[in-house]
Amino acid sequence: EVQLVESGGGLVQPGGSLRVSCEASGFTFKSHWMNWVRQAPGKGLEWVANIKQDGSEKYYVDAVKGRFTISRDNAESSLYLQMNSLRAEDTAMYYCVRDRGWNLFDYWGQGTLVTVSS
Amino acid sequence: QSALTQPPSASGSPGQSVTISCTGTSSDVGGYNYVYWYQQHPGKAPKLMIYEVSKRPSGVPDRFSGSKSGNTASLTVSGLQAEDEADYYCSSFAGGTQVLFGAGTKLTVL
Repeated sequence: EVQLVESGGGLVQPGGSLRVSCEASGFTFKSHWMNWVRQAPGKGLEWVANIKQDGSEKYYVDAVKGRFTISRDNAESSLYLQMNSLRAEDTAMYYCVRDRGWNLFDYWGQGTLVTVSS
Repeated sequence: QSALTQPPSASGSPGQSVTISCTGTSSDVGGYNYVYWYQQHPGKAPKLMIYEVSKRPSGVPDRFSGSKSGNTASLTVSGLQAEDEADYYCSSFAGGTQVLFGAGTKLTVL
């Protein structure tokens, strides 16, 4: 059974940093592009970043470029999102998502909530 | 690249059919047969309901169907049931490095 379990969310002050993690199981992690998708309270889905199977390619939504870094550890079947210079508008549930190809998001984690507030 | 356009709301009575549209451009919806629909219940993670315009993953009821005409994709829910009340999001491959979602449609079962 495919499982994606996020962790690391919490309350952080504006300008602060946080790293969220995703532990994957039940599939060959190193064979898939992986993504982070976020959802602000009461709002829609926003794709944040993705990373190629070997980590050689990474892409970001304009709103987080230069502040967020996506990474992965295939030996540990884990995905990470390092978030720096956090802003109030980054407050959201962050979902770890598997890509089956062509941006087909077939498995989603339950999410980890990041709140940016003073 | 702009987000895909969905109506903010849709509704229908139990047993009826309802269709939700998703309008893009020739660079995304119209250019590829890689259109997806996700269902999200309150407090839950999104769930894939339709992929490649009209295919259903295992376990998704055949009451859910998808189609596409030009730059507009559609999700139809037939024989509406109370548990179909949820938010629905479309997404499309766009050939570039960004991933597009629609703003979402809240489906209400009256």
